[in-house]
Amino acid sequence: LAKTTQPISMDSYEGQEVNITCSHNNIATNDYITWYQQFPSQGPRFIIQGYKTKVKNEVASLFIPADRKSSTLSLPRVSLSDTAVYYCLVGAGTNAGKSTFGDGTTLTVKP
Amino acid sequence: NAGVTQTPKFRVLKTGQSMTLLCAQDMNHEYMYWYRQDPGMGLRLIHYSVGEGTTAKGEVPDGYNVSRLKKQNFLLGLESAAPSQTSVYFCASSYREYEQYFGPGTRLTVT
Repeated sequence: LAKTTQPISMDSYEGQEVNITCSHNNIATNDYITWYQQFPSQGPRFIIQGYKTKVKNEVASLFIPADRKSSTLSLPRVSLSDTAVYYCLVGAGTNAGKSTFGDGTTLTVKP
Repeated sequence: NAGVTQTPKFRVLKTGQSMTLLCAQDMNHEYMYWYRQDPGMGLRLIHYSVGEGTTAKGEVPDGYNVSRLKKQNFLLGLESAAPSQTSVYFCASSYREYEQYFGPGTRLTVT
C-alpha cells in the first residue's frame, strides 16, 4: 500500500497561511498525489492534485519535492470555514488497490 | 448534473441480514470506488472498478461483494451483516486517476 502519514491535528488563526505535510515514502512512479477536504457528515471534496514540482489553483498550492516522498498542501489566508479534516491520497485509478487515504489532519482555525 | 448519488442514506440492519447499497454517477466516469469510514478515522477502500463489468479488491474487501453491470452504477453488497460493518459508506467516481467525486454517504448501523 502507498501508506501516507500526516500530522493528526493543527491549529491556526484566521488570515494565516497553513502548510500540511504528508509523507509517502513508497510512492510509485505513476502515482498522483491528491488532497481532499472533508467536513463532518459529508463526503470528501477535491482540493488539488499534482505529480511533481508545484501546482496551484484558486484555493491552494501543492508542493512536491523531486524525490516525491512527501507533499505539502498550502492554504493561504485561512478562514473559520477552512476548519475541516484534510487527507492526502497517493495513487488512484488503476493504482487504487495500492492506495490509501490515511487518517487525515484535523485543521482548526481560530478567530 | 446530480454527480454521485447513494441509496439509501441511512439503514439499520440486524446481524446476519443482507443488503445492497447503490451508487450512481452521471459523469460518464470509468472508475468507481467504495470506501468505508469509521468514526474518527480515514477512508478505507473496500472495492473499486476501472470499467463496466470489472471489479477489484481494495484494502478491506472481506464481507463485501460488488458488481458493476452498468457503467453508471456500482453496487455494494453485504451478504451477512456484522456489527463490525457499522460505518459510513462513501462511493466515489473519477475519470481515470484524477480527482474523485464523492457521494453524500450511507450511514449503516448493524445491531
